[in-house]
Amino acid sequence: QQPVQSPQAVILREGEDAVINCSSSKALYSVHWYRQKHGEAPVFLMILLKGGEQKGHEKISASFNEKKQQSSLYLTASQLSYSGTYFCGTEDSGGSNYKLTFGKGTLLTVNP
Amino acid sequence: NAGVMQNPRHLVRRRGQEARLRCSPMKGHSHVYWYRQLPEEGLKFMVYLQKENIIDESGMPKERFSAEFPKEGPSILRIQQVVRGDSAAYFCASSRTPNTEAFFGQGTRLTVV
Repeated sequence: QQPVQSPQAVILREGEDAVINCSSSKALYSVHWYRQKHGEAPVFLMILLKGGEQKGHEKISASFNEKKQQSSLYLTASQLSYSGTYFCGTEDSGGSNYKLTFGKGTLLTVNP
Repeated sequence: NAGVMQNPRHLVRRRGQEARLRCSPMKGHSHVYWYRQLPEEGLKFMVYLQKENIIDESGMPKERFSAEFPKEGPSILRIQQVVRGDSAAYFCASSRTPNTEAFFGQGTRLTVV
């Protein structure tokens, strides 16, 4: 079952914050976040494992709520380089530990 | 340290021809995954391979599609007798172990005319 991402698209001015959500109807083992710019390869951002941990890297962080089966990606003080489509990939807790099911993506546009 | 290398970047095939997509994983990575992406869609899992073994091909159509990852050389995704519906971007990813970060290649954009 494909995870649902929201919003589908968001437009920001440089310096503004954004939150991207990823929800699944299944129990999750892990959530993987990627950013893809048009015509390029998806770039790995971070993995979150069940346990509700929060991870961060500079101004991009994420949380994973195992009970709610959802993850959120937080982008603070956005930069122009943050523009792209963000995908979450989920791994079911009862499934294999390698196959990711990706959402349809959230298109983030950061304007000057 | 080179990343995941895919070639060709663009491939045009006529209906009924064969398409061969190649993927060289990152150095030290023995786990390879193939995904297909349609415009405005997410990535759809096709197949997971380790050296010389297909671990899971549940996302791959039963007919016309095959994948291999030989002991020597790149992983190959082969599509026989291509049809218009096969037009898509095909991405390969590799990881050192299962469920660690997977790094994607630039993709092969297949167009069937």
